[in-house]
This record gives sequence, C-alpha cells and structure tokens, in this order.
Amino acid sequence: EPEVTQTPSHQVTQMGQEVILRCVPISNHLYFYWYRQILGQKVEFLVSFYNNEISEKSEIFDDQFSVERPDGSNFTLKIRSTKLEDSAMYFCASSAAESGEQYFGPGTRLTVT
Amino acid sequence: QQQVKQSPQSLIVQKGGISIINCAYENTAFDYFPWYQQFPGKGPALLIAIRPDVSEKKEGRFTISFNKSAKQFSLHIMDSQPGDSATYFCAASAGTYKYIFGTGTRLKVLA
Repeated sequence: EPEVTQTPSHQVTQMGQEVILRCVPISNHLYFYWYRQILGQKVEFLVSFYNNEISEKSEIFDDQFSVERPDGSNFTLKIRSTKLEDSAMYFCASSAAESGEQYFGPGTRLTVT
Repeated sequence: QQQVKQSPQSLIVQKGGISIINCAYENTAFDYFPWYQQFPGKGPALLIAIRPDVSEKKEGRFTISFNKSAKQFSLHIMDSQPGDSATYFCAASAGTYKYIFGTGTRLKVLA
C-alpha cells in the first residue's frame, strides 16, 4: 500500500539554526500539505501546495517557513531560524484531489534547544 | 467559527462496548468530515469520512453519524477492542485544502 514517508524521524537543532524536513508524498498525488502537532495538542494546518505554488497557508506559516518541491518526488519544509516554540511533530500529507482524502506521513519530531 | 469542538477529552470503555466521540462545528461551509486515528509516535491515519449529503456512514465497526441541522457529527466504534486504544481526531474542511482538527479524544479500551 502506498504511503507518505518522512525523514528524518527526529531532528534536534539549536535555536537560530535552519532545518529542512523532507517528505515523499504518495506518487500519484498532486496536493501536498504540512501540519504540525505540539506535544499533547491538536494537529494544526501550516500550508498546502499544488502545481508548484502555495495554495493556502495559516498564520503560523510566517516568513521563517518555506516549502519546496525540488524534484518530482520530494516535498520539503524549511524553517530558516528555528525558535524554541517550533519544537513539535511535523506531519506531511498528500491527497490525489483538492478536496480529497489526505494521507499523513509518520512525522518528524523537531526538538529545538 | 473555524473551530471544531471535540468531546470527551478522554474515554475508557470495556472490551466489547461502544465508544462514542462527538464533534461540533459552527462553519456551515464545512463539507467534508474525516476521522483520524493516531497511535503514540505515529502520524494520523484516516479512519472514515463523511460528506453532509448523508446522515450516516458505516465501515466495519466504525460508524459516523452526521446531524447537519445540529452541526454535529460523531464516531461510534462498535465492539471496541484493546487494539482500538488510540487518540481519535475529528476534522473538517470547507472545500479548501486545510483540515481543521478537533482537540482529540484519548480512548482506552480495557481488556
């Protein structure tokens, strides 16, 4: 069964450093998303991406964040200068259609020290 | 208006019992309501979803009941098993890309 994969599973970084989280969406999907989940809290939408551009973003997704699809398979989330409050689980998701079912990856746990 | 309110926060059910989790929303533009199951350290896994043109959808032991006039929807897990112990999230979307998630319900099924 096709699945969304994410690397690394755990990333530890120092405050102010740049991090890149990587995702490989399901191969025939066209819509890609990033969500985050602070420990013990609900899952929050960050950004959606379609046709090589951002479709929608939340207020959390400020200038420190960027997304990219550098090739035909990867989808990345970059945080330019990490803050302590960026510590969370980051989930990538993909869907085949605009309002279709979203399938989530296993997540990357980001710890900012 | 963008919120989805979920209850209860936690739920303990005996094996074989029925688990019921409720969600309520305000935004009448929401038109897609999925439920996700999440085990510790894993990503949310899509369980079942419903659109507002039907009042109920059943898949195996999982049923969504949808009440459009009350703006509420619920997940029923029949014959609950210890393996169902997980956190369950309801979500909603309004024909757009983002899901608005509920706050989650931690379900524990006792053997």
